[in-house]
Amino acid sequence: AQTVTQSQPEMSVQEAETVTLSCTYDTSESDYYLFWYKQPPSRQMILVIRQEAYKQQNATENRFSVNFQKAAKSFSLKISDSQLGDAAMYFCAYRATGGGSQGNLIFGKGTKLSVKP
Amino acid sequence: EPEVTQTPSHQVTQMGQEVILRCVPISNHLYFYWYRQILGQKVEFLVSFYNNEISEKSEIFDDQFSVERPDGSNFTLKIRSTKLEDSAMYFCATAPEREGYGYTFGSGTRLTVV
Repeated sequence: AQTVTQSQPEMSVQEAETVTLSCTYDTSESDYYLFWYKQPPSRQMILVIRQEAYKQQNATENRFSVNFQKAAKSFSLKISDSQLGDAAMYFCAYRATGGGSQGNLIFGKGTKLSVKP
Repeated sequence: EPEVTQTPSHQVTQMGQEVILRCVPISNHLYFYWYRQILGQKVEFLVSFYNNEISEKSEIFDDQFSVERPDGSNFTLKIRSTKLEDSAMYFCATAPEREGYGYTFGSGTRLTVV
């Protein structure tokens, strides 16, 4: 069974600095999708960034980028120029491909990010 | 930007009662999901729904739970005979036909069983 591990329960970063959140996963599949979701205190789940495993290029979305290491099964999230609004729980998630079907997401336990002014 | 709407935002119910949680998906999305997050724990998959039937369900989704899309718009999760341990945030998520897009989550329903 696939698993997702986030080894950092909590992280802290100074405003305007850069922080990296770690995520590793276990799968025997060769093709899959990886996601980072943000959950602010409102508890809504917001998609931050996604990565397709067959693409070697790391995904980027403005201040958010990933370091995808397929062989190591690692998928870390880098937040540059951290802002107070980045403070939230961050969840890493995995989804296998399904030949057109949309499988369910498997989540890690999350990392709580605090941003200090 | 299109949203997934969930109602109610918070529901308090007595143990043993039935509750229905509602979700209005994004109009062109075809895949629907329910996830649960017990306070302080990770998000867990409950069930997926496609083409008016369940496509996958987890071990959590036992006979106490059911889903339906009665009127072609609302997607509902029914929990019969609620237990204290059913207290959690329940998220509806939807996804389009095209493979690989991230799901859009609703803002959740906080269910408190007393």
